[in-house]
Amino acid sequence: AIQMTQSPSSLSAFVGDRVTITCRASQGIRNDLAWYQQKPGKAPKLLIYAASSLQSGVPSRFSGIGSGTDFTLTISSLQPEDFATYYCLQDYNYPWTFGQGTKVEIK
Amino acid sequence: EVQLLESGGGLVQPGGSLRLSCVASGFTFSSYAMSWVRQAPGKGLEWVSAIGGGGRSTYYADSVKGRFTISRDNSKNTLFLQMNSLGAEDTSVYYCAKALRPSKVAGSFDYWGQGTLVTVSS
Repeated sequence: AIQMTQSPSSLSAFVGDRVTITCRASQGIRNDLAWYQQKPGKAPKLLIYAASSLQSGVPSRFSGIGSGTDFTLTISSLQPEDFATYYCLQDYNYPWTFGQGTKVEIK
Repeated sequence: EVQLLESGGGLVQPGGSLRLSCVASGFTFSSYAMSWVRQAPGKGLEWVSAIGGGGRSTYYADSVKGRFTISRDNSKNTLFLQMNSLGAEDTSVYYCAKALRPSKVAGSFDYWGQGTLVTVSS
């Protein structure tokens, strides 16, 4: 199975900061990657699909880039409602695999 | 409005079975692949299984292959997950999720249910 390694596992940031989360695949996955945001007790929310396509209704401060093995999710200016855990998911081949998650906390 | 409503979770003994259901509304159910994703308490997300819109194509995580069966009844807009030989490692909240694009089995899920908790314990 393809392993997805996210970094960092957690981070602390101020409102207004630029935040970057990375996801590395153990083998090339083209651009078959999605990013999700999850808040405690809630279902995940799709942010980005196909590595860089912004899901409808998601604020433009979220962006994704990458292809092959290295991917990045960027929040250009962190807002209070962005404090959550973020996951990447590869659907290049089965079994689909999530990264272990990155928890974004308030500094 | 798209809605996904899971049910069927609960407490089950090790080695037991359980069937989860997910009733969908607000979209043409048969046109979309569906998946199950689970999350153990305090842990990350794990993709479990996916099924194509017609129900013929099914896919599983290695951890559940041979024990879980995904299916769907398009006449009732319902997705199922039959879980057999359950162990403590299967204790999780189970979410059903809808594929973003029609006719494509992919891991971009634009709608999720609220989740149903499965607890495997004696």
